[in-house]
Amino acid sequence: GAVVSQHPSWVICKSGTSVKIECRSLDFQATTMFWYRQFPKQSLMLMATSNEGSKATYEQGVEKDKFLINHASLTLSTLTVTSAHPEDSSFYICSAQGRNSYEQYFGPGTRLTVT
Amino acid sequence: AQSVTQLGSHVSVSEGALVLLRCNYSSSVPPYLFWYVQYPNQGLQLLLKYTTGATLVKGINGFEAEFKKSETSFHLTKPSAHMSDAAEYFCAVSEGGFQKLVFGTGTRLLVSP
Repeated sequence: GAVVSQHPSWVICKSGTSVKIECRSLDFQATTMFWYRQFPKQSLMLMATSNEGSKATYEQGVEKDKFLINHASLTLSTLTVTSAHPEDSSFYICSAQGRNSYEQYFGPGTRLTVT
Repeated sequence: AQSVTQLGSHVSVSEGALVLLRCNYSSSVPPYLFWYVQYPNQGLQLLLKYTTGATLVKGINGFEAEFKKSETSFHLTKPSAHMSDAAEYFCAVSEGGFQKLVFGTGTRLLVSP
């Protein structure tokens, strides 16, 4: 089956610093990747959709300058949280979709804690 | 715009009992419907999906769901709960295959011995 990995699985950073999260499709080419955010005991909220080689499309209310998304290759997308603040602490999950498949395959998530 | 409502943030069953998790959706076009399971601190795993065709869909781990257009529902069932079924379950809808997923708020399934 299709496998998606995320790195790191958890990260702690200080307020004001930036942190990068990687999402990789290990055994298929992901033409589209999605980034979600999940607060404790809540549902997943889509942050943005990225297509390989294109600028990401952000959902309403998501600051594109704060959450930088890059989808430079068919197997890698990155989410950079810039100038992180404690309220950015959350569980970030990516998913990947192949060229001819509508199914999204989810990564294991990255827990970000900003102190 | 599409939306999903999951009734009951928590559902408790005894091991061996029937599991029923409710999901109602709203969509302006024929929907694609999904059920995912999430274990603590992990990503989502697809249990089953409905796109077109047969309205009764069977998934992994003995789960199944039935698409009922007249009721705009896609409830998840399992005849006999197992302790390992304890997890968070999310229903999701998309308006077509290559569209974004919209998730419900989730239902936590608790299974007691």
